[in-house]
Amino acid sequence: GENVEQHPSTLSVQEGDSAVIKCTYSDSASNYFPWYKQELGKGPQLIIDIRSNVGEKKDQRIAVTLNKTAKHFSLHITETQPEDSAVYFCAASSVSGQNFVFGPGTRLSVLP
Amino acid sequence: KAGVTQTPRYLIKTRGQQVTLSCSPISGHRSVSWYQQTPGQGLQFLFEYFSETQRNKGNFPGRFSGRQFSNSRSEMNVSTLELGDSALYLCASSSDGKRGNSPLHFGNGTRLTVT
Repeated sequence: GENVEQHPSTLSVQEGDSAVIKCTYSDSASNYFPWYKQELGKGPQLIIDIRSNVGEKKDQRIAVTLNKTAKHFSLHITETQPEDSAVYFCAASSVSGQNFVFGPGTRLSVLP
Repeated sequence: KAGVTQTPRYLIKTRGQQVTLSCSPISGHRSVSWYQQTPGQGLQFLFEYFSETQRNKGNFPGRFSGRQFSNSRSEMNVSTLELGDSALYLCASSSDGKRGNSPLHFGNGTRLTVT
């Protein structure tokens, strides 16, 4: 079945710097990759997603890139702000079993 | 549009008891999935319901069960609670009938504490 790895597990950056979180997946049939942000006391919220027919997608300060050949996808946050501090999860669609497989999460801390 | 609503937000139960958690999906969403979230294990898939039928099931014991009603609302039940069942239980709905083709929309979860 699908397996998703995510690195790093924790990330601290200075306010205004960029943050990059990387994920790899194992199932070449996966074709949809959402990213979620989870703040304390809340459920994960979708922040951006990408489909396998697209290499990059951007939404203001957030961008996601996908390399299907290498089975890598990454989240890029530019000009980080304290409110970006949260746990971020990547996910990959699965054609069997559960709909999505999630990475273990990255705790991002943006230091003022 | 109202988001996914989970009730209650917090529960404290004793070992051996049973518990029922409720989830109301986004209007029009027919798929409801349940996840268990713990610090050590991350997001673990429990089961998914679509049009009142269980479509997928994760690797949890039979003490964990669920159901979905004709209005797409869903409940999950945990019987004979164990200390290890303490977790945040998340419900997520999706509009898509095709697996993994559209995002999950999560509620804020039910925090279950078993003492």
